[in-house]
Amino acid sequence: TQLLEQSPQFLSIQEGENLTVYCNSSSVFSSLQWYRQEPGEGPVLLVTVVTGGEVKKLKRLTFQFGDARKDSSLHITAAQPGDTGLYLCAGLTAYSGAGSYQLTFGKGTKLSVIP
Amino acid sequence: NAGVTQTPKFQVLKTGQSMTLQCAQDMNHEYMSWYRQDPGMGLRLIHYSVGAGITDQGEVPNGYNVSRSTTEDFPLRLLSAAPSQTSVYFCASSYSVAEATEAFFGQGTRLTVV
Repeated sequence: TQLLEQSPQFLSIQEGENLTVYCNSSSVFSSLQWYRQEPGEGPVLLVTVVTGGEVKKLKRLTFQFGDARKDSSLHITAAQPGDTGLYLCAGLTAYSGAGSYQLTFGKGTKLSVIP
Repeated sequence: NAGVTQTPKFQVLKTGQSMTLQCAQDMNHEYMSWYRQDPGMGLRLIHYSVGAGITDQGEVPNGYNVSRSTTEDFPLRLLSAAPSQTSVYFCASSYSVAEATEAFFGQGTRLTVV
């Protein structure tokens, strides 16, 4: 099993602050996805990064894929209460069982943005 | 748009009982999967399917059974429920088995085994 370590596990910050969430592995992934999950709901995709060194921006969110495709980060600028939720990274690898791919999820970072 | 629909949303079972968690998608997706989510453990893959008639095991398959007779439906069966299977279960589907495709998740089934 390929492991994805996310840090920090919990993060509580004031509105307007910046933050970074990290997702690290010793394994190489063909691509990496970030999802956001709200209580009582399923995860929803935020972004997919494919190329080593790739940087993608989604409004106040900046995602980076490491050069070696083993790690990724999510940076939020000027956090808002609406950013509160569980952030999950997921690495995509080929899975030989049925000639398919498999998504391996990190344990998540629970973010609380206090007004 | 319905997307991925899971039923039931909540369920309480007694140890030893069996039940089926239903999952249906209306997006004509090839790839469907079942995850369980436990506090501090993230999402762990139980079983997945790359198309009708094809299924395979994920990371934590023991105690669960799946079948895929149609593209739309991917039910998860608990054969003999145990307290360790208390969890939130998510079904997901993707357009293809190629890389970099978005996984669409259902709203989850919260299962308690007493």
